[in-house]
Amino acid sequence: NAGVTQTPKFRVLKTGQSMTLLCAQDMNHEYMYWYRQDPGMGLRLIHYSVGEGTTAKGEVPDGYNVSRLKKQNFLLGLESAAPSQTSVYFCATAWTANTGELFFGEGSRLTVL
Amino acid sequence: SQQGEEDPQALSIQEGENATMNCSYKTSINNLQWYRQNSGRGLVHLILIRSNEREKHSGRLRVTLDTSKKSSSLLITASRAADTASYFCATPPFSGSARQLTFGSGTQLTVLP
Repeated sequence: NAGVTQTPKFRVLKTGQSMTLLCAQDMNHEYMYWYRQDPGMGLRLIHYSVGEGTTAKGEVPDGYNVSRLKKQNFLLGLESAAPSQTSVYFCATAWTANTGELFFGEGSRLTVL
Repeated sequence: SQQGEEDPQALSIQEGENATMNCSYKTSINNLQWYRQNSGRGLVHLILIRSNEREKHSGRLRVTLDTSKKSSSLLITASRAADTASYFCATPPFSGSARQLTFGSGTQLTVLP
């Protein structure tokens, strides 16, 4: 079992370019999340999904879009990258909504020049 | 907005000593979780304590929860160099769900050999 797999692990973009981060899970979890982690800021929730075909905004959704066409995949898109989006992005999944632990991927480090 | 805040921000101890880190939160919760993050890796769930519990143990970990003070502490006994990592508390608000799980900025623990 791979658990939660994020691709790519590293990416360098120029301002204005677009890209998509893929999160794939093999645990059959309903809930999936995208967080960003910046120094001194902890993790901040970007978008989340409570099931296939559903998405919702988190704390810092601006500049990002997401899709959950298949239960096992959660995509995070940047349509026009900005230097402020330089960060480490983490995908996480959960089995239950309220009391369950989160399972994290290893992160995707994105640099926007 | 950050629900939980860890204290201290950084902690350095000798191997074999105990490490204590604290978490304060703002609103009512139904559980509080602690996670560990090794450098360059994803977060790993350590322990969950429910609002009706005051103390919980898992191996060398001891977690306490004081809902009247809105605070929790994580104690690592007999620390090892491998315990070097960042530790985060995470809380869903009482009326929320895991989609609103928010993290503090973390405590960076360094265990010196």
